Amino acid sequence: AQRVTQPEKLLSVFKGAPVELKCNYSYSGSPELFWYVQYSRQRLQLLLRHISRESIKGFTADLNKGETSFHLKKPFAQEEDSAMYYCALIGIVDGGGSNYKLTFGKGTLLTVNP
Amino acid sequence: EAGVVQSPRYKIIEKKQPVAFWCNPISGHNTLYWYLQNLGQGPELLIRYENEEAVDDSQLPKDRFSAERLKGVDSTLKIQPAELGDSAVYLCASSAERTDTEAFFGQGTRLTVV
Repeated sequence: AQRVTQPEKLLSVFKGAPVELKCNYSYSGSPELFWYVQYSRQRLQLLLRHISRESIKGFTADLNKGETSFHLKKPFAQEEDSAMYYCALIGIVDGGGSNYKLTFGKGTLLTVNP
Repeated sequence: EAGVVQSPRYKIIEKKQPVAFWCNPISGHNTLYWYLQNLGQGPELLIRYENEEAVDDSQLPKDRFSAERLKGVDSTLKIQPAELGDSAVYLCASSAERTDTEAFFGQGTRLTVV
């Protein structure tokens, strides 16, 4: 079974402060990890994926297989970062091919105060 | 490109009535997902299609829920009869077949059962 855990439902920081949204996963194989974001009144959209090793809107996330974590970080939070953030995992369900599953965590609501 | 299109955006029905949701995925996307999202929770997979084949429907409550994806393009999700606990947002998403690709979400259908 695969599982994604986001321990914080709510996270509130001040503008300019560093922010870290935690994500831990449970999966026996090599997962593909993602962060999705949902801004107010907008659809859920991809923020970044670990395989690309990219930085989007100043956010980065490093896959730590030893700790089974994929925490999302930004050194200086902005008010426009306020949104709901979901960590997600794709794992192979039955040993390969196209049989995979995209599983989401429960999400963390980030509020960046002025 | 309109992205993933879902309709209706909102639906209010009385319990025990049937309801149907429609999804038009992004052109060329073979994979289609239906997710259920309760308030304050992350999306939970109901069913995943690869073309017209339902490859993962293990989380679909088959006593009242059904889905189809005729011709491997548009999809409908039906509930019959609806219960009060079915009130939630129903999300449709599509992606290309590779496991590391982005899932594109629709705006969702917010169902209220009264």
